[in-house]
Amino acid sequence: EIVLTQSPTTTAASPGEKVTITCLASSSVSNMYWYQQKSGASPKLLIYSTSSLASGVPDRFSGSGSGTSYSLTINTMEAEDAATYYCQQWSSNPLTFGSGTKLEIK
Amino acid sequence: QVTLKESGPGILQPSQTLSLTCTFSGFSLSTYGMGVGWIRQPSGKGLEWLANIWWDDDKYYNPSLKNRLTISKDTSNNQAFLKITNVDTADTATYYCARQTGSSFDYWGQGVMVTVSS
Repeated sequence: EIVLTQSPTTTAASPGEKVTITCLASSSVSNMYWYQQKSGASPKLLIYSTSSLASGVPDRFSGSGSGTSYSLTINTMEAEDAATYYCQQWSSNPLTFGSGTKLEIK
Repeated sequence: QVTLKESGPGILQPSQTLSLTCTFSGFSLSTYGMGVGWIRQPSGKGLEWLANIWWDDDKYYNPSLKNRLTISKDTSNNQAFLKITNVDTADTATYYCARQTGSSFDYWGQGVMVTVSS
């Protein structure tokens, strides 16, 4: 099983600040996927195939990485970005999620 | 417009079988490349993938629960199903179904809470 380790576990950012969340895989994966989950809501796909923006996602979000190291970046933090973010892989079975990064607004 | 909605028993007792239904619209599970997955989330915790089923009836299960899981579909009625046998309090969670195209889940249901309690 490929274990995905996210860092930081929790973080806070001021409006306008740049935020980077990292996802390290225990083995190399071909792509990474990112989800945003706001309190009380279902997860929402943000980034697919490592760096492609899902439909309707603001372009302040971006993804990058390869091999075992991937990242999600929010270029300029907005209050509505406060949420928990999860990475996910399915390069090998089972499909796994990272444990999540809680992002708060300062 | 793609929508998915989960339904389930709400509460059940240990050792019983949990039966979940995902009713969806806006896509067909007979279309090439389409899949539906089940994911659960205990309160305050992370996401755990359980199983998925594809347009060609291919199925994948999380090995950690594989012996307890059965996924199936009814293409004509736009539904997918998940059964979990011999439930325990550790199975208490919100259960989501989601459309899967490729390796990601692009549309999610609202989730259904399931409590296992004696």
